[in-house]
Amino acid sequence: KNEVEQSPQNLTAQEGEFITINCSYSVGISALHWLQQHPGGGIVSLFMLSSGKKKHGRLIATINIQEKHSSLHITASHPRDSAVYICAAKAQGGSEKLVFGKGTKLTVNP
Amino acid sequence: DSGVTQTPKHLITATGQRVTLRCSPRSGDLSVYWYQQSLDQGLQFLIQYYNGEERAKGNILERFSAQQFPDLHSELNLSSLELGDSALYFCASSVVGGNSPLHFGNGTRLTVT
Repeated sequence: KNEVEQSPQNLTAQEGEFITINCSYSVGISALHWLQQHPGGGIVSLFMLSSGKKKHGRLIATINIQEKHSSLHITASHPRDSAVYICAAKAQGGSEKLVFGKGTKLTVNP
Repeated sequence: DSGVTQTPKHLITATGQRVTLRCSPRSGDLSVYWYQQSLDQGLQFLIQYYNGEERAKGNILERFSAQQFPDLHSELNLSSLELGDSALYFCASSVVGGNSPLHFGNGTRLTVT
């Protein structure tokens, strides 16, 4: 079992829908990253959080440390949001190693 | 634009060969990270350098090595290449490491034939 699990693996939505992508991890973490990988391959860091909630535009990331769970929400989804979303956990204890989930492929249809 | 520059964008080479991937971090960032993304394994952390010194090591093969130079650019050397080394190799940088935000380059796509 991977230390970082994402669900769903694939997600298809209609433009305007509210999207939720989930990430569960099995180890204690110091931070959790949400990344967006475009069809061309480039990776953009969306959020890094260690507690609570962060918001940037239509994107919201939440984390529940006790439940070892994080969610990425996209409000009013748009076809340009189509990408692979990857969560990555950084273990406690000063390690710089990130453990990545396998990603969620999101397709937003017009 | 993340400010992180990776060269080359694409590299095609034969088994047994050696290649060097280059990364220039964002201005002011002292930490450089290397990651490998293959179809079957997904993204994996390879190695991190901070201000010229190796800071952390992940799933990096002995055939692979890296270094960070005084001007903070980094190189990842891959030798005795095998078909399974075909992957996207990403470099990322951050100000100090720790829980600083990461900035990713566009990656180098390596194809070993």
